[in-house]
Amino acid sequence: AQKVTQAQTEISVVEKEDVTLDCVYETRDTTYYLFWYKQPPSGELVFLIRRNSFDEQNEISGRYSWNFQKSTSSFNFTITASQVVDSAVYFCALSEMYSGGGADGLTFGKGTHLIIQP
Amino acid sequence: EAGVVQSPRYKIIEKKQPVAFWCNPISGHNTLYWYLQNLGQGPELLIRYENEEAVDDSQLPKDRFSAERLKGVDSTLKIQPAELGDSAVYLCASSSRDRGDEQFFGPGTRLTVL
Repeated sequence: AQKVTQAQTEISVVEKEDVTLDCVYETRDTTYYLFWYKQPPSGELVFLIRRNSFDEQNEISGRYSWNFQKSTSSFNFTITASQVVDSAVYFCALSEMYSGGGADGLTFGKGTHLIIQP
Repeated sequence: EAGVVQSPRYKIIEKKQPVAFWCNPISGHNTLYWYLQNLGQGPELLIRYENEEAVDDSQLPKDRFSAERLKGVDSTLKIQPAELGDSAVYLCASSSRDRGDEQFFGPGTRLTVL
């Protein structure tokens, strides 16, 4: 069975601070995908990143960066110089990868509510 | 490119009534998903379609929930009869292998059962 744990229910920081959202996963699959989604107050889930299990390179996209460590089953997300617009609920998710690259439905964590105060 | 479309956006019904949700995926996306999101929780997969075939419905409560995807495009999720505990947001998502299987989500239907 797959499981995603986001231990931080809520984080509140002041604008311009750096913040890291933790994600720990469990899976018996040898090949899988990891994802981060953002859910702003409007409610629509916004895709941020997908990482496959055989690519442990860290990734940076503007103020966002992701640290994937297979040894600790973690896929953490860091926002540098946070802004008020970053306030949202962030979900980490996991899916099995099928041969040929197809993906299963997502198993989500419970989410971390990030509050950026001006 | 239009995103995933869902309707209605909001629905309020009394318990024991039937309800249906509709989803139109992104054009060309062969995979369609229905998720349920309770307040303060992450979405949970209900059913996954590959074209018109339901390939994973293990989490769908089949005593009251049903879904269909005629012609492998639009999909309908139905609850009959609805119970108080069904109050949640129902999300539809779609993906395409040609586009890396990234799932794009619709805005959801917020169901309130009174």
